[in-house]
Amino acid sequence: KQEVTQIPAALSVPEGENLVLNCSFTDSAIYNLQWFRQDPGKGLTSLLLIQSSQREQTSGRLNASLDKSSGRSTLYIAASQPGDSATYLCAVPAGANNLFFGTGTRLTVIP
Amino acid sequence: NAGVMQNPRHLVRRRGQEARLRCSPMKGHSHVYWYRQLPEEGLKFMVYLQKENIIDESGMPKERFSAEFPKEGPSILRIQQVVRGDSAAYFCASSPPVAGGTDTQYFGPGTRLTVL
Repeated sequence: KQEVTQIPAALSVPEGENLVLNCSFTDSAIYNLQWFRQDPGKGLTSLLLIQSSQREQTSGRLNASLDKSSGRSTLYIAASQPGDSATYLCAVPAGANNLFFGTGTRLTVIP
Repeated sequence: NAGVMQNPRHLVRRRGQEARLRCSPMKGHSHVYWYRQLPEEGLKFMVYLQKENIIDESGMPKERFSAEFPKEGPSILRIQQVVRGDSAAYFCASSPPVAGGTDTQYFGPGTRLTVL
């Protein structure tokens, strides 16, 4: 049974710092992994999708890596800004095309 | 191209009433997914539908919950005889008909259901 864990559960950093969010999964038979952002009271925004054949994906200040063999993915955020404050979720495919979500990391970037 | 639309955004019901949540997928998307986020918990898959078909309902509670995605119109998640434990945010997502499910899912803003 798939389990997806995100550490830390919450993180506060001063503006400008680089930071890393972690996601671990128990079943490595996945064909992709996605990182989402959720703002309070809002829906989810897809940030990055990494296919199993890729090791990393980059979008602006975000870089996500995937290591299937160790069951881990990281989301690196460079030069953090207050606008980055949100909950970050990783998700892997499960069943017939649905997503299995991690527990989330609540990020606060302090001005 | 409008994103995934959900309505209502907020819904208040008393115990025993029915709740109907609507989701209009992005244009060109024929796959719809419903997820539930209970307070202080992660998102949990409920049901996956294509037009007029339920593909996977393994996450749906066995009673009181049903979903449909008719040929015309939005997808509907229906909760009969609501209880306080149904209070949650319900999110809909859609994706295009890509084989193998390698495409991303696009999420709506959610419907926040409060049961009094």
